[in-house]
Amino acid sequence: DTEVTQTPKHLVMGMTNKKSLKCEQHMGHRAMYWYKQKAKKPPELMFVYSYEKLSINESVPSRFSPECPNSSLLNLHLHALQPEDSALYLCASSQSRGDQPQHFGDGTRLSIL
Amino acid sequence: QQQVKQSPQSLIVQKGGISIINCAYENTAFDYFPWYQQFPGKGPALLIAIRPDVSEKKEGRFTISFNKSAKQFSLHIMDSQPGDSATYFCGAGGYQKVTFGTGTKLQVIP
Repeated sequence: DTEVTQTPKHLVMGMTNKKSLKCEQHMGHRAMYWYKQKAKKPPELMFVYSYEKLSINESVPSRFSPECPNSSLLNLHLHALQPEDSALYLCASSQSRGDQPQHFGDGTRLSIL
Repeated sequence: QQQVKQSPQSLIVQKGGISIINCAYENTAFDYFPWYQQFPGKGPALLIAIRPDVSEKKEGRFTISFNKSAKQFSLHIMDSQPGDSATYFCGAGGYQKVTFGTGTKLQVIP
C-alpha cells in the first residue's frame, strides 16, 4: 500500500466539465508535487508546493489549478481540459525538499472525451 | 541544461544476469541523482539515490556508479530477477525539483 493516496483512480470527463483530483499524505511531509505522465514517458513536473505555498509552476496552462488546503492535502482542479490532457496524474510528497526521496501515489488515470 | 538522457530505451536480460542502465546530465548544478522503479498501474518508487560526493553506492542488488567529470551515472542490477521487470527512470536535480530521464523498460526472462 502506498503512503500517498490519490482519488479517484480513474476519471472520465468532457471538455466542459469541472472536476478535482485529490491527494493525501500523513507522513508529515511539507513538500508536495503534481506530475503528469503520458504513456511510455517519464513523469513531468507540473507544480510544487513547499510548506503549503506554491513554489514552482512549470508553465502549466491555467485550466489546471492547484490548491494546498493544509499540509496533508493537495488538490488539482480541472476545467475546460483538452483531449491532449488525457494522462496519468501523479501526486508525490517529500520531507521538505526536492532532493529528498519522493513518495508517489498510484495516480489518477484521466480521460478527456 | 535541464535535460537528462537515458539509455537504453529497452533491455532484455536473462535471469541471474546484470542489468545496466545509463544516464547523462548537462546541468553541473545538479547534486541529487535518484533512480525510480515503476510497475504498470503504479506510481514510481525510489530504489536508490546518490550525491556527487561519492562515486558508488550499493543497496542490496542495486548499485549506482557516478562519474562527476563525465556527468554520467548508471544503475547496475545484479542477479536480475523476473520480479525486476519494470520501467526504470533516472533523475537529476537539486533542492527544488528532480528532472526524470526518458525511462528504460527492463524485461528479465527466466
